Amino acid sequence: DARVTQTPRHKVTEMGQEVTMRCQPILGHNTVFWYRQTMMQGLELLAYFRNRAPLDDSGMPKDRFSAEMPDATLATLKIQPSEPRDSAVYFCASGLTRPDRSYEQYFGPGTRLTVT
Amino acid sequence: GEDVEQSLFLSVREGDSSVINCTYTDSSSTYLYWYKQEPGAGLQLLTYIFSNMDMKQDQRLTVLLNKKDKHLSLRIADTQTGDSAIYFCAAGTGDDKIIFGKGTRLHILP
Repeated sequence: DARVTQTPRHKVTEMGQEVTMRCQPILGHNTVFWYRQTMMQGLELLAYFRNRAPLDDSGMPKDRFSAEMPDATLATLKIQPSEPRDSAVYFCASGLTRPDRSYEQYFGPGTRLTVT
Repeated sequence: GEDVEQSLFLSVREGDSSVINCTYTDSSSTYLYWYKQEPGAGLQLLTYIFSNMDMKQDQRLTVLLNKKDKHLSLRIADTQTGDSAIYFCAAGTGDDKIIFGKGTRLHILP
C-alpha cells in the first residue's frame, strides 16, 4: 500500500532555529505539493512541483521558506529562521492523474511544528 | 483565480443527515472533489463528480452539483460518530492543480 511519508512527525524548536521537513512522495507520482494547516487559516498551498520543477510557490513567505526536490524521491521544506507564527501542521501530498482525467492528491500524515 | 468557499463548522445529531455546502468561482472547473480529514491524519479523497453530472451517490454519500450556481454539496445519510472529521471541498480543471476550501469541521452530537 503506497503512502506518502513525512519526517519528522513532530518538531518543537525555538524561534530563530532552522527547520527542515522531508517528504517522500509515492513512486511514480510526478507532482508534489506542500500545504500548511492552521485553525485560523485552514489549509494553505505553499508550493507545488511537477516533474521536480517548481511551478507555484506564491503562497510561501519567500524570505524564510524554501522548497526543493533534490530528486524524485525527496521533497524538502525549510524554514530559516523559524518564528512562532510558523507553528502549524505541514502536509506533503503527491498526485496522480486518473484515466478519467480527474486528479487525486495523496496526503502524508503531516509534520506538526511548534516554534516557541 | 479559483476560490472555494465553505462554512467552517457544522453540528449534526447522530442518525440525522449532514449536508455540507460549498461554492466555487471558476465556471471552467471540470472536477469537483470532497476530501475527508480524520483527526491526526492527512486528507483523503472521499468522492468526486464531473461537472457534466448533477448527482453522484455512493452508499451513504450523495454529492449534488448545481453548475449554474457553482454550488456543490455533500450529504451524509445516517450520520455516525465515525463521520466526525473535517470535510474539504476542492475544484479542478482536469490538470494537477486543485484549489481547496478551508474545510468544514463536522461535529456529531449524541
